[in-house]
Amino acid sequence: GAVVSQHPSWVICKSGTSVKIECRSLDFQATTMFWYRQFPKQSLMLMATSNEGSKATYEQGVEKDKFLINHASLTLSTLTVTSAHPEDSSFYICSARTTGTGSEKLFFGSGTQLSVL
Amino acid sequence: AQSVSQHNHHVILSEAASLELGCNYSYGGTVNLFWYVQYPGQHLQLLLKYFSGDPLVKGIKGFEAEFIKSKFSFNLRKPSVQWSDTAEYFCAAAASGGSYIPTFGRGTSLIVHP
Repeated sequence: GAVVSQHPSWVICKSGTSVKIECRSLDFQATTMFWYRQFPKQSLMLMATSNEGSKATYEQGVEKDKFLINHASLTLSTLTVTSAHPEDSSFYICSARTTGTGSEKLFFGSGTQLSVL
Repeated sequence: AQSVSQHNHHVILSEAASLELGCNYSYGGTVNLFWYVQYPGQHLQLLLKYFSGDPLVKGIKGFEAEFIKSKFSFNLRKPSVQWSDTAEYFCAAAASGGSYIPTFGRGTSLIVHP
């Protein structure tokens, strides 16, 4: 099956610094990628939808200036957590959708555990 | 807005025991339903899905799920679990005909003792 690579798998940073998370589709082109966030013992919450070559669409309550998303190519989307604070500590997961329709075409990265000190 | 609830947050079983994980969704329209699994250190993988037709869905690795429309449920079952089934399991729902972005339940952590 298709592979989505997410990097890094975990990161620890100081409060106030920025962290970039990469999501790559390795063997297919993904016009759309999604970024999810999961707090401990809670659901995966959709943060934003990233479309290649255009601005990301953010879900209600997600600060677009804090969570910068760039989808510069059909195989790469990045999420940058700017000026991270301890409350941003969470598990972030990306997923990529192939050009077909239907949710069965979604493939997920392995996630990034972010810890902000 | 649609929501998905998983009743069991942590389940501990011995090998060969039977498994049933509960999942209920809240949505007024037609939904597509999914179960995903995440093994330790790996990415989310699709176990099975229901779009239409036979409400009893067979998935990979011996898993199955039954869609009961009247109960808004889509419970996951396996008659005999193995140690290798230790993982996090997520139920998800997506509006049929919509943007196909699944809404996830909070997940169930399954530990199977050998």
